[in-house]
Amino acid sequence: DIQMTQSPSSLSASVGDRVTITCRASQSISTYLNWYQQKPGKAPKLLIYVASSLQSGVPSRFSGSGSGTDFTLTISSLQPEDFATYYCQQSYSTPYTFGQGTMLEIK
Amino acid sequence: EVQLVESGGGLVQPGGSLRLSCAASGFTFSSYAMSWVRQAPGKGLEWVSDISGSGGSTHYADSVKGRFTISRDNSKNTLYLQMKSLRPEDTAVYYCAKDSYCSSSSCYDSWFDPWGQGTLVTVSS
Repeated sequence: DIQMTQSPSSLSASVGDRVTITCRASQSISTYLNWYQQKPGKAPKLLIYVASSLQSGVPSRFSGSGSGTDFTLTISSLQPEDFATYYCQQSYSTPYTFGQGTMLEIK
Repeated sequence: EVQLVESGGGLVQPGGSLRLSCAASGFTFSSYAMSWVRQAPGKGLEWVSDISGSGGSTHYADSVKGRFTISRDNSKNTLYLQMKSLRPEDTAVYYCAKDSYCSSSSCYDSWFDPWGQGTLVTVSS
């Protein structure tokens, strides 16, 4: 199985900050990497697919990059509604696997 | 608008069975693979199973293989997850999600969008 490791596990930041979350795969997954946002008590929401494609309706302050084993999710200027937990997920092969999550908290 | 609505969750004793349903609307159901993803209380996301648009191809996580069966009824636009021999560690919110587009011969790039609201399964005596 492909292991996905996110860092950091938690992060405190302020409104307006630029934030980067990283995700590393245990083997090359090309660009088969997706990012989700989850708020407490809610279903996850797709932000980025195939590493760098912004899902329709998602603000342009979110961006993704990377290929192979190393990927990043960047939020260019944090807004109050961005405080949530973020997950990466590989779709290269089944079993599809998620990172452990990064909880983004208000400083 | 694409909508997914899960049902069928509840409290079940260890060793018991449960069938989850996911009613889909707003898209051509038979053209898309579908997945189940679960989340134990306070934990991260775990992919459980997927099924191709035609239903002819399925995959499972090792943790549920041999105990869970995914299926679909394209005439009813409904996805199912039959769960047997349930264990306390199966306790989780179960989400269904729209997965990759499938042609007649294969399914393409996979991502989960959208997700249903989830249904809680609690396995406890």
